[in-house]
Amino acid sequence: EAQVTQNPRYLITVTGKKLTVTCSQNMNHEYMSWYRQDPGLGLRQIYYSMNVEVTDKGDVPEGYKVSRKEKRNFPLILESPSPNQTSLYFCASSRGPTDYGYTFGSGTRLTVV
Amino acid sequence: GDSVTQMEGPVTLSEEAFLTINCTYTATGYPSLFWYVQYPGEGLQLLLKATKADDKGSNKGFEATYRKETTSFHLEKGSVQVSDSAVYFCALSERSGGYQKVTFGTGTKLQVIP
Repeated sequence: EAQVTQNPRYLITVTGKKLTVTCSQNMNHEYMSWYRQDPGLGLRQIYYSMNVEVTDKGDVPEGYKVSRKEKRNFPLILESPSPNQTSLYFCASSRGPTDYGYTFGSGTRLTVV
Repeated sequence: GDSVTQMEGPVTLSEEAFLTINCTYTATGYPSLFWYVQYPGEGLQLLLKATKADDKGSNKGFEATYRKETTSFHLEKGSVQVSDSAVYFCALSERSGGYQKVTFGTGTKLQVIP
């Protein structure tokens, strides 16, 4: 089954404790992206990647890192999480530019206390 | 920059009612337009898309027509069901430099009551 798999689904952590949210897709998609979803703000892009070793900042990159060492994986790293990063996070992948929609993962609900 | 504006929700309808969720956009070029649906506790799913002016996207009884003259992409369904209760997101996708920039609206929650 074609899918984007995120882990974990739920995570509660403390301020400053480094964490990684994993994302993997099995569709050989070139484009991958991370979004955060907050009430009243919709989805905001954190980082995106056009291909292996090619990543760039989205609209809200502060406090996040990503890497794209393999085509299928695109982990999101929070080096020192803060409470304002409490949110619902989605990884998404796409076959190509513009005309293809995204396939989304099921989401990771992160709470930073 | 690009933007997508959706009608405020929630929208509450009785089963079998007609649905319209408005979406308008601003873009510098010629974007592709999408509707996504998010069911409770799940990620977004692509519902339909249109890639050029006057195209009509359709899926599962939902339709939307790309109207360049009014910069709109309104979602419609002739007869909603309780199972259509979800949050609906309008989005546009446009090339920006060498990459794909996707801009989402803030979402419209639909509640269908029996």
